[in-house]
Formats: sequence, structure tokens, C-alpha cells
Amino acid sequence: DAGVIQSPRHEVTEMGQEVTLRCKPISGHDYLFWYRQTMMRGLELLIYFNNNVPIDDSGMPEDRFSAKMPNASFSTLKIQPSEPRDSAVYFCASSPDHYGYTFGSGTRLTVV
Amino acid sequence: TQLLEQSPQFLSIQEGENLTVYCNSSSVFSSLQWYRQEPGEGPVLLVTVVTGGEVKKLKRLTFQFGDARKDSSLHITAAQPGDTGLYLCAGALYSGGGADGLTFGKGTHLIIQP
Repeated sequence: DAGVIQSPRHEVTEMGQEVTLRCKPISGHDYLFWYRQTMMRGLELLIYFNNNVPIDDSGMPEDRFSAKMPNASFSTLKIQPSEPRDSAVYFCASSPDHYGYTFGSGTRLTVV
Repeated sequence: TQLLEQSPQFLSIQEGENLTVYCNSSSVFSSLQWYRQEPGEGPVLLVTVVTGGEVKKLKRLTFQFGDARKDSSLHITAAQPGDTGLYLCAGALYSGGGADGLTFGKGTHLIIQP
């Protein structure tokens, strides 16, 4: 298995632009999680899905953030409009249960 | 307020030394996991502990879950440069209705000098 695949690895965008991050989870994993990592706040859970259904989005910072999972093999995290404070590394993780997560390599987002 | 407090934040020691890092909380967790993260990569799962008092060993790494399931420790024996990385603990607050997302500590940055 290729593991959790995220794209792009790096994204630099201007403030106000729309940003879309992509994730392909491991086949057969029913849970998908989006996390954001910064030096100040560490890893923060943004949202997670179970069987493609959003279960908890209480970590999504504000309405500028949205996430979808149209099928079991694909999820997106969208930021519109982006702001400099959104700069961080965004991780997607998948799991067959709540005992072990497999993380992707992350997307490093820089908003200038 | 951080739900999981990890200490120390930074640790730099010489190869061959032993070390212990800690993960503490006032909350009870259904399970607790330890991850290691290297620069430019995502965290990689090392171990999961689920029973209070549980001890698990992974080569030179020993993980312990506190009796009350509120804290955990990671002990490394004879540290090697390859152990360098960010060590993260993460706890699951089981709601009873299904899985909850893991809550992570900020981690311990460990450097093992040759």
C-alpha cells in the first residue's frame, strides 16, 4: 500500500486566494482526519470523517475552511479566502479504528 | 490550555545515555499513543497503550501507561542518533458513541548527539 497520499507537498499562495488540499486515504480505512500543525499550537484536529460522513468539525477555525469527502478514496480541505495566519503544515491521516493513525507527508502551506 | 502536557519540550543528550519523556493530563483517556515525527514528514505511530498500568517495549523503547490512564512515559535506553526526532503523545477521549479524533501534545524535541 502506498500509504496516505497528500497533494500538493508545498503550496505558496497570495492572501485572498482559494487553496485546495487533497488527500487519498489508505484503502479500507473508515476514518479520515485533517490536522494542522504549527510551532505555536502543535497538531490540532480540524475535522474527521467516518465512512465519508463528517462527524466532528468543531476544530475548523472558521467559515473560510471547508472539507469534503465525496467517496472513500478522496477528501479535500479548502480555504477560501486564505489569510497569512493559515500558514501551517496540514496533515491528513486515516485509520481503520481509533487505535492507530497513518499520516500522510503533509502539505506545507504558505500564504503571503 | 493544553490537554496533554509533554515534558521536557527539548532534550539534547549524548549517544549511549538513557532518557525519559513524559506525557501528563488531568483527563482520563481510553487509549494513548506515541508517535515519532521527522522533519518534513508526518508522525509515525510507535505504540498504542489501552490498559492502565500497561507496559510495552519496542526494542530500546519502553512505554508505560499510568494506572489511572491520565499519563504516560517513554523511556529510551542507550539512545542512538537515529532516535532523534519529535516525540508526540496523543490521547483518545472515548465518547462511547464511536471514535474521537486524537488530541496531541506539543511534543518533545529529542536530539541524540554522536
